[in-house]
Amino acid sequence: SAVISQKPSRDICQRGTSLTIQCQVDSQVTMMFWYRQQPGQSLTLIATANQGSEATYESGFVIDKFPISRPNLTFSTLTVSNMSPEDSSIYLCSVDLGPDQETQYFGPGTRLLVL
Amino acid sequence: EDQVTQSPEALRLQEGESSSLNCSYTVSGLRGLFWYRQDPGKGPEFLFTLYSAGEEKEKERLKATLTKKESFLHITAPKPEDSATYLCAVSGGGSEKLVFGKGTKLTVNP
Repeated sequence: SAVISQKPSRDICQRGTSLTIQCQVDSQVTMMFWYRQQPGQSLTLIATANQGSEATYESGFVIDKFPISRPNLTFSTLTVSNMSPEDSSIYLCSVDLGPDQETQYFGPGTRLLVL
Repeated sequence: EDQVTQSPEALRLQEGESSSLNCSYTVSGLRGLFWYRQDPGKGPEFLFTLYSAGEEKEKERLKATLTKKESFLHITAPKPEDSATYLCAVSGGGSEKLVFGKGTKLTVNP
């Protein structure tokens, strides 16, 4: 497994502002993922972040709203831009440790409330 | 499109009362079916991966099984510390992408 940390753990923001969430892993990983978990809903993949290339976004998510950086193999950021109350959610990063590991491992999440 | 449906949405058990959670799925070319446990305010914690129909895995009071259309998470003689939301996810079609169900919230009363 891997030790994954996220910052901030929670935040309350005003509509129209932006928040950048950081994800740090204690080992080098090729694939990192960003998910959203809205109340009463399933975890939904926002995008896949690979080092050295642009993030790949899922249907319904766009780069202008959720820009992602992946500067190295242990770190990634997700920005939630021009926030509205509908963006209130838990944002989680996960990592895939490679073909010898069984699955993705998740960070603790960032709880975001937009007023 | 890959889909995962979990039932029931919520389940209340008395300590020691065994039961099962269901995960029905449709996926093109199953790569794996995954069970996670999520405690309030925390990220999902990995429990099991199942790869093919007929496979079973166990961990303490939990046992996961897999058929071609569904998976069960059996909980034997649960304890209050087993209270959590249990999430099921699948990946398929050669992708590492996980598609999750909404989860089953399990409460075990002492």
